[in-house]
Amino acid sequence: EIVLTQSPGTLSLSPGERATLSCRASQSVSSSYLAWYQQKPGQAPRLLIYGASSRATGIPDRFSGSGSGTDFTLTISRLEPEDFAVYYCQQYGSFLTFGGGTKVEIK
Amino acid sequence: QITLKESGPTLVKPTQTLTLTCTFSGFSLSTSGVGVGWIRQPPGKALEWLALIYWDDDKRYSPSLKSRLTITKDTSKNQVVLTMTNMDPVDTATYYCAHGEWELRPSFDYWGQGTLVTVSS
Repeated sequence: EIVLTQSPGTLSLSPGERATLSCRASQSVSSSYLAWYQQKPGQAPRLLIYGASSRATGIPDRFSGSGSGTDFTLTISRLEPEDFAVYYCQQYGSFLTFGGGTKVEIK
Repeated sequence: QITLKESGPTLVKPTQTLTLTCTFSGFSLSTSGVGVGWIRQPPGKALEWLALIYWDDDKRYSPSLKSRLTITKDTSKNQVVLTMTNMDPVDTATYYCAHGEWELRPSFDYWGQGTLVTVSS
């Protein structure tokens, strides 16, 4: 089973700053099968990125994904107030797994 | 417009079997590539994938929970049912069902609102 480790656990930033979130896999993951989600308190997760770098429908272009193999990154170019949330990566192989999440909080 | 909604008991006793139903609209689970999965989230903790059923009735389960889970679909009713046996307080969580088109965009692109299940005597 592939384990996804997200870092940092918490990222404290100000609106307008750039956020860089990491997702590291215990084994190589096909780029086609790496996704990122955003979750706000009391809400279901929302798909941001699939295929490591493709934005889901309606996702602003300040969100971008990159990476391959075992190292993947979600970048938020300029944080908006509504971007403060928890972010999860997820891989899809024979089984699915989610990372432990990164909380992006207001500094 | 794709929507999904989970239903089932809010409280179950330890050792009981949990049965959750996901009722959906806006897509067919007989369409090639489509799958519906279950994911749970204990209070304050991370997401955990449980099971996934595909349009062709192929099924995948979390290895750590495989012995306790069964996922089935009723295409005519637009429903997916998850059963989890031998419930324990550590299974207390919000349970979500979610849609994915696993050949085009391998991911969960639509989610239900979730249902909180508490395991307590």
